[in-house]
Amino acid sequence: GNSVTQMEGPVTLSEEAFLTINCTYTATGYPSLFWYVQYPGEGLQLLLKATKADDKGSNKGFEATYRKETTSFHLEKGSVQVSDSAVYFCALGGVNSGGSNYKLTFGKGTLLTVNP
Amino acid sequence: DTGVSQDPRHKITKRGQNVTFRCDPISEHNRLYWYRQTLGQGPEFLTYFQNEAQLEKSRLLSDRFSAERPKGSFSTLEIQRTEQGDSAMYLCASSLKKRGDIQYFGAGTRLSVL
Repeated sequence: GNSVTQMEGPVTLSEEAFLTINCTYTATGYPSLFWYVQYPGEGLQLLLKATKADDKGSNKGFEATYRKETTSFHLEKGSVQVSDSAVYFCALGGVNSGGSNYKLTFGKGTLLTVNP
Repeated sequence: DTGVSQDPRHKITKRGQNVTFRCDPISEHNRLYWYRQTLGQGPEFLTYFQNEAQLEKSRLLSDRFSAERPKGSFSTLEIQRTEQGDSAMYLCASSLKKRGDIQYFGAGTRLSVL
C-alpha cells in the first residue's frame, strides 16, 4: 500500500537559517505529492503540490521537487522566519481506478520552531 | 467561498454515548473526505464520498462508525457506543473530482471520550 516517511522532529532553527524536511514515499501508480502546514490552533492548509515527476511545487519561499527516481519530495526553504513555526505534513494522493486522486496518505508531521 | 466548516468544534462525551459530527464542504466540491488525527500523528483516511455515493471506507472505520452525505451536500459522521480510543480530531475535507486536485480541510471536531 501507499506510505509516507517523513523526517522526525522537532526541528529548531534560528531565523534566516536554511530548512530541509525530508520526505520519501512508497506508492503504486503515479500519485500527486503535497506538503500541508498546520499553524498553531488552525486547520491544515496546502503549502504546495506537484502532480508528476520532476515537477517543482513552490509557495511562500518553500520548494519541493517530485523525484521519482529517489521516491522523494523534500521540503526546502532558503531563509526561515519566526512565522514559519508550524507542523509540516508530507502527503501522497492515492490514484483510484479512474485515474484521479482521492484519499491522502500523510506522514507523521514535523514540528518546526524558528527562534528570533 | 466560505471554506469547509465543521460543527461542533469540540465534543466531550461519556463512554457508550453516541455522537454525530457535521461537515459542510465548499459548495461546488463534489468530493468529501473524512480523516482522523490523533496526537502526534498525521491524519488517517476514514472514508470519502463522490456526490452522495460513499465510494470507499477504511478498515479504521469500524461498524460503530457511519457516514452519510444525503443529496451530495453536507455530510455527517456518527459514532455509536463511543470508546476512549475514539478520542481524536475528526477532519473533513472537500475537493473537485480531478487528478491532483487540492483537498481543502476544515478546522476539525475534537472528540474527547471520558
